[in-house]
Amino acid sequence: DIQMTQSPSSLSASVGDRVTITCRASQSIGIFLNWYQQKPGEAPKLLIYGAFSLQSGVPSRFSGSGSGTDFTLTISSLQPEDFATYYCQQTYSSPSITFGQGTRLEIK
Amino acid sequence: QVQLLQSGAEVKKPGASVKVSCKASGYTFAAYYMHWVRQAPGQGLEWMGWINPNSGATNYTQKFQGRVSMTSDTPINTAYMELSRLRSDDTAVYYCAREFWSGYPYFDSWGQGTLVTVSS
Repeated sequence: DIQMTQSPSSLSASVGDRVTITCRASQSIGIFLNWYQQKPGEAPKLLIYGAFSLQSGVPSRFSGSGSGTDFTLTISSLQPEDFATYYCQQTYSSPSITFGQGTRLEIK
Repeated sequence: QVQLLQSGAEVKKPGASVKVSCKASGYTFAAYYMHWVRQAPGQGLEWMGWINPNSGATNYTQKFQGRVSMTSDTPINTAYMELSRLRSDDTAVYYCAREFWSGYPYFDSWGQGTLVTVSS
């Protein structure tokens, strides 16, 4: 199975900060990489698919980059509603799919 | 708009089975794979498998092979996930999620989640 490792596991930041979360795959996955945001008590929400394509309705302050084994999710200017947990997901080895362990983004 | 409505919370004893439903609306149910993902309390997301509602074909991650069964009833636009021989570590929120394909597969719509508690 392809392992997905996110870093950091948790992060404290302030409103207005630029934040970057990384995701590393145990083998090359091309750009079969998606990012999700999850708030407490809610289902995950798709942010980015295909490594860099922004899902409809998602604010443009979110962006994704990378290919192969190394990927990043960047939030250009943190807003109060962005404090949540973020997960990467690889679908390269579909039908077997794996998620990263998550990055919890907290208010400093 | 696409909606996935899951059944309500369940409390089960160890060794029992649970069946969670996911009723889809707002799209052609048979045209999209449905996945199941679970999340133990305070933990991350764990993919369990998928079903193709059109054909009934399934694929399960090895961890759940022999204990999970995913089915669908296309006339009523509903997918089901049944997990048997429950253990305490199966306590989790179970989500259904629709797979969309736009060059790359991703989960564009999720159910609200169903909490399954396994306790004696």
